[in-house]
Amino acid sequence: EAQVTQNPRYLITVTGKKLTVTCSQNMNHEYMSWYRQDPGLGLRQIYYSMNVEVTDKGDVPEGYKVSRKEKRNFPLILESPSPNQTSLYFCASSPGTGDNQPQHFGDGTRLSIL
Amino acid sequence: AQSVTQLDSHVSVSEGTPVLLRCNYSSSYSPSLFWYVQHPNKGLQLLLKYTSAATLVKGINGFEAEFKKSETSFHLTKPSAHMSDAAEYFCVVTHYNQGGKLIFGQGTELSVKP
Repeated sequence: EAQVTQNPRYLITVTGKKLTVTCSQNMNHEYMSWYRQDPGLGLRQIYYSMNVEVTDKGDVPEGYKVSRKEKRNFPLILESPSPNQTSLYFCASSPGTGDNQPQHFGDGTRLSIL
Repeated sequence: AQSVTQLDSHVSVSEGTPVLLRCNYSSSYSPSLFWYVQHPNKGLQLLLKYTSAATLVKGINGFEAEFKKSETSFHLTKPSAHMSDAAEYFCVVTHYNQGGKLIFGQGTELSVKP
């Protein structure tokens, strides 16, 4: 089954403790992206990757890092989490960035930073 | 620049009655437009997409949307609501030169009463 898998689904942690949210897709997609969802703001892009070893900032990249060492994986790293990063996070992938290639989303990771 | 405004943060309908979720967009280019649905604790699922072909777009689960350039609107409709339609709906705009970035509206929560 074609899917985007995020782990963990839920995490409660404390300020400053490094964490990684993993994202894996099994569709051989070139494009992957991370979004955060906050009430009243919809989803905002954090980082994206056009292909292996190619990443770039989205609209809200501060406090986050990503890497793309393999095509299927695109982890999101919070080196020193802060309470304002408490949010619902989604990973997405698509074959490319053309108009006819809508993105497939994971089920989300809910992070709470105390 | 591109932006999306969903005109209602919450819509409530009775089962069996029509659904109308309103979306206006702003784009300097000919946009691609999508509607996604998010059920509780799930990721986003693509309902339908407009990519400069037919202006009336049919999607899954009986939903459709009409692209009206003169009104810069892309409203989502369904003739008869079902209880399973209760979810949050996002209108999304993009353009192929945006590097795959999706611009989300703030979301509309649809409630369906028995």
